[in-house]
Amino acid sequence: QLQLQESGPGLVKPSETLSLTCTVSGGSINSGSYYWGWIRQPPGKGLEWIGSIYYSGSTYYNPSLKTRVTISIDTSQNQFSLKLTSATAADTAVYYCARHQSSYSWFDPWGQGTLVSVSS
Amino acid sequence: EILMTQSPATLSVSPGERATLSCRASESVSSNLAWYQQKPGQAPRLLIYGASTRATGIPARFSGSGSGTDFTLTISSLQSEDSAVYYCQQYNNWPLYTFGQGTKLEIK
Repeated sequence: QLQLQESGPGLVKPSETLSLTCTVSGGSINSGSYYWGWIRQPPGKGLEWIGSIYYSGSTYYNPSLKTRVTISIDTSQNQFSLKLTSATAADTAVYYCARHQSSYSWFDPWGQGTLVSVSS
Repeated sequence: EILMTQSPATLSVSPGERATLSCRASESVSSNLAWYQQKPGQAPRLLIYGASTRATGIPARFSGSGSGTDFTLTISSLQSEDSAVYYCQQYNNWPLYTFGQGTKLEIK
């Protein structure tokens, strides 16, 4: 059974870079034509797709975040990562990683999520 | 960007009754729509994809319908564990997925 687990600092200072890693277990990140995505949810609010990476390394970003986001993949570690630069309080959210099967697809499964607060 | 609008924002239904949740897209998304259930402190859980196909392990009381711009999630014979926030997501407009703002379902 495929499982995803987010990890990274729970507190980031304003203007600094938010960095998270998603570790995939129960299957290879490099097997099959899967995409690996990041979604966030500010406290008490809805879901926002941040971006996705194809197993081959091609990346796709939400235009609203594109200038600040980088998603990368490390197949040797079975992980993919998110970097969000110039963090502000508006980036405070629970960050989820998830898989989608193709470019036109739903997310399943999801990681449990990790709360990142941006505050001095 | 395709805007997804869910209604109502909150729905209160008695156990054993039926709940009907709506999701409307600002333009056609064909049948490229998914529904998720999110309970407090948990990640979203996939319920429905392709507008009407139940995900693995999802009880038959959950059903989805619609195509184009108007979609419905129906939960028949509500149970207490169905209390959650439900989100729709369009995946027709790659690479820009968008979600609805959610409907909170309360069990009376």
